[in-house]
Amino acid sequence: DAKTTQPNSMESNEEEPVHLPCNHSTISGTDYIHWYRQLPSQGPEYVIHGLTSNVNNRMASLAIAEDRKSSTLILHRATLRDAAVYYCILRLYGGSQGNLIFGKGTKLSVKP
Amino acid sequence: DTGVSQDPRHKITKRGQNVTFRCDPISEHNRLYWYRQTLGQGPEFLTYFQNEAQLEKSRLLSDRFSAERPKGSFSTLEIQRTEQGDSAMYLCASSRGTSGRPGEDTQYFGPGTRLTVL
Repeated sequence: DAKTTQPNSMESNEEEPVHLPCNHSTISGTDYIHWYRQLPSQGPEYVIHGLTSNVNNRMASLAIAEDRKSSTLILHRATLRDAAVYYCILRLYGGSQGNLIFGKGTKLSVKP
Repeated sequence: DTGVSQDPRHKITKRGQNVTFRCDPISEHNRLYWYRQTLGQGPEFLTYFQNEAQLEKSRLLSDRFSAERPKGSFSTLEIQRTEQGDSAMYLCASSRGTSGRPGEDTQYFGPGTRLTVL
């Protein structure tokens, strides 16, 4: 899998939008961009994924750069419950690889 | 959908003892994964199953580790002769599998088993 780069940590205020960046300059044309998050003392949780177009779901939005070398996870209104480590992961479209390859992620702190 | 469950949630053992963890995946999911996570790090892949077949094993999975999924439903992970370096969170995940399109496959994780080796 291609490598991703994320800031180690970010801070946000409650009820404000949060933009979590991820660089993946070596992404291939068939890599999907996935985001997972891990709340304290819990297993990781799927957030969103996309290939080329921006994506929205009930949890977040994913904005993908036109050249696909970077993406941004957007939490529209951060809550205290969004404090977690956020992982950006690339997954090959095809092939037999099944596992996720996690980096260190971005630790998001949310201040009341 | 009751989610992925793991048992026990915590295990404390003495060095040299054997331990076994159980994972019950989401019922219609045919893929099951084991990961290990140490403090401050992201989860690291150990092994995964497609139904009852173990398809991939990481180099992290030494010969003291063995995993089974005998009927394609629940899975067990056994660690023999535990060492202090085995202390970690052991996470299980499951997914539907997407017929050769892992890019679209979403994994659902359990709460993990925290192992402490004294």
